[in-house]
Amino acid sequence: NAGVTQTPKFQVLKTGQSMTLQCAQDMNHNSMYWYRQDPGMGLRLIYYSASEGTTDKGEVPNGYNVSRLNKREFSLRLESAAPSQTSVYFCASSEEVTSLYEQYFGPGTRLTVT
Amino acid sequence: EDKVVQSPLSLVVHEGDTVTLNCSYEVTNFRSLLWYKQEKKAPTFLFMLTSSGIEKKSGRLSSILDKKELFSILNITATQTGDSAVYLCAASNAGNMLTFGGGTRLMVKP
Repeated sequence: NAGVTQTPKFQVLKTGQSMTLQCAQDMNHNSMYWYRQDPGMGLRLIYYSASEGTTDKGEVPNGYNVSRLNKREFSLRLESAAPSQTSVYFCASSEEVTSLYEQYFGPGTRLTVT
Repeated sequence: EDKVVQSPLSLVVHEGDTVTLNCSYEVTNFRSLLWYKQEKKAPTFLFMLTSSGIEKKSGRLSSILDKKELFSILNITATQTGDSAVYLCAASNAGNMLTFGGGTRLMVKP
């Protein structure tokens, strides 16, 4: 039982390049989330997926797209990376989208855009 | 706009000390308050509080929520070096959006 896994762990991109961050969970959770964490700012929600086949914007969705490929997997895509997207990205999952369920986090992807 | 503020930003104590971390929130349609511990990587869940005045306890850690004054505290007694981490507080609303505070960095010296 690996919980929430993310790939890659580290990535360096040049401005304008694209990439996809992968996330998978093996807890049979319905809901999945993508956050970014910047120094001193806590975590901010980018997108979430309440259930397979649905996605919704969070607090900071601009510059990102997501795909809920199946119940296990939720990917985050940067179409044209910008230095402002340098951050640590965390994927999380929970049983349901209601706020009474705790979220479990993956180990993070550290992304640098030069 | 929903907001969560944690204090202090950082704290250095010695083993055996007791610490209190603070979290205040302003969240529309508030549902719950969560505490996470973040060491090098992923935040790990500590507590979820939904009711005022009921203390949640796990070993040396405890937390309580005050929904009237809109704050929560996390207490750690008899601190150990393994408690060194960033402690994150998050408040959720009815739409399950979690708003995180900036965290409190705790360092426990031997």
